[in-house]
Amino acid sequence: DTAVSQTPKYLVTQMGNDKSIKCEQNLGHDTMYWYKQDSKKFLKIMFSYNNKELIINETVPNRFSPKSPDKAHLNLHINSLELGDSAVYFCASSQVGGSNEKLFFGSGTQLSVL
Amino acid sequence: KNQVEQSPQSLIILEGKNCTLQCNYTVSPFSNLRWYKQDTGRGPVSLTIMTFSENTKSNGRYTATLDADTKQSSLHITASQLSDSASYICVVSANDYKLSFGAGTTVTVRA
Repeated sequence: DTAVSQTPKYLVTQMGNDKSIKCEQNLGHDTMYWYKQDSKKFLKIMFSYNNKELIINETVPNRFSPKSPDKAHLNLHINSLELGDSAVYFCASSQVGGSNEKLFFGSGTQLSVL
Repeated sequence: KNQVEQSPQSLIILEGKNCTLQCNYTVSPFSNLRWYKQDTGRGPVSLTIMTFSENTKSNGRYTATLDADTKQSSLHITASQLSDSASYICVVSANDYKLSFGAGTTVTVRA
């Protein structure tokens, strides 16, 4: 069973569209994250949720809106997509969000905005 | 300037050989340093996590070292296998729980 699963794996869309990426974890973790990996391979934190509550928002444009219906799910909705949004988006989870905890990542969603 | 610098950017080694990857960081205050392995098209997978007091930690054929005084870490891969071909990412955690990621070293193991 996949611990952290995100869908879709690939997403190709036109500029200006609205799209969503879904993420689910079956590890029983309290904390979930969204990361963006740019073309230079740097991973950057976007959001972190602990038990459905937003705890980190790293100055991401408000076109990005995370939603956590329960602690096992953290979805990412993106409005008015721009070319610069093209990247690989990773969902991750950790047990309670402590600084020494291991992160478990999903396989990523490659978003291409044309 | 990124707070976590990795070298080399990429390397190619023959199967069965050893290699060492380097990570220098300026993140402060320091909480822990992690090494992740990222296969192509996959998410990163944790290899090791080291806190300030730990100098070395192993995970199978992977051995990480940490010198918190010089702010350097290395990841040594022993007796490389084809499955070791991946990107290896150094990640440093500050005491505010934020993670700083390096750009990774791409390792290619050839038969």
